[in-house]
Amino acid sequence: ELKVEQNPLFLSMQEGKNYTIYCNYSTTSDRLYWYRQDPGKSLESLFVLLSNGAVKQEGRLMASLDTKARLSTLHITAAVHDLSATYFCAVDISAGGTSYGKLTFGQGTILTVHP
Amino acid sequence: GAGVSQSPSNKVTEKGKDVELRCDPISGHTALYWYRQSLGQGLEFLIYFQGNSAPDKSGLPSDRFSAERTGGSVSTLTIQRTQQEDSAVYLCASSPEVFPGETQYFGPGTRLLVL
Repeated sequence: ELKVEQNPLFLSMQEGKNYTIYCNYSTTSDRLYWYRQDPGKSLESLFVLLSNGAVKQEGRLMASLDTKARLSTLHITAAVHDLSATYFCAVDISAGGTSYGKLTFGQGTILTVHP
Repeated sequence: GAGVSQSPSNKVTEKGKDVELRCDPISGHTALYWYRQSLGQGLEFLIYFQGNSAPDKSGLPSDRFSAERTGGSVSTLTIQRTQQEDSAVYLCASSPEVFPGETQYFGPGTRLLVL
């Protein structure tokens, strides 16, 4: 059974600081997704990582994937209050080289950025 | 263009009643997914559709849960004889294809409360 674990589950940051959220998963996969969820809202896609060593950046967020270590990271640079949200990673298990998009989600990391 | 829409946005029902939740995917998207989000279980995959067929129903919690999709578009998730543990937010997502790395676009969800 695939398990996806995020660390930390709660993160309180000061504005301007850097931090990293970790996502570990237990089964081979090369398809890793990051989503953001604001309180009371649905999930917004941030990144799709599709190969070992993949790195994607958008604004103050950068995501990377190490399939050998079964680890993805979401790095936050110079945090601002608008980044406060819950961040989820999700893993898609390939089947015979095709993907059917059955995502297994981590527990979520609740990020709060303070002035 | 329009995103994924779901109705109703909120539903309160009594234990033992049946409920129907509706999902309208993004126009042209062939793949449709149902997930459930609850405090105790996090985000869980329920079922997905490729066109009108559902190749993977493995996530449905019990035989009280069923889903269908007609015309390759609208999908309905039905919960019969609701129980209090069914209380959760039911999220629908769609993607253009069931293809490696396709982003899933999520709807706003239906918040179900079973009294």
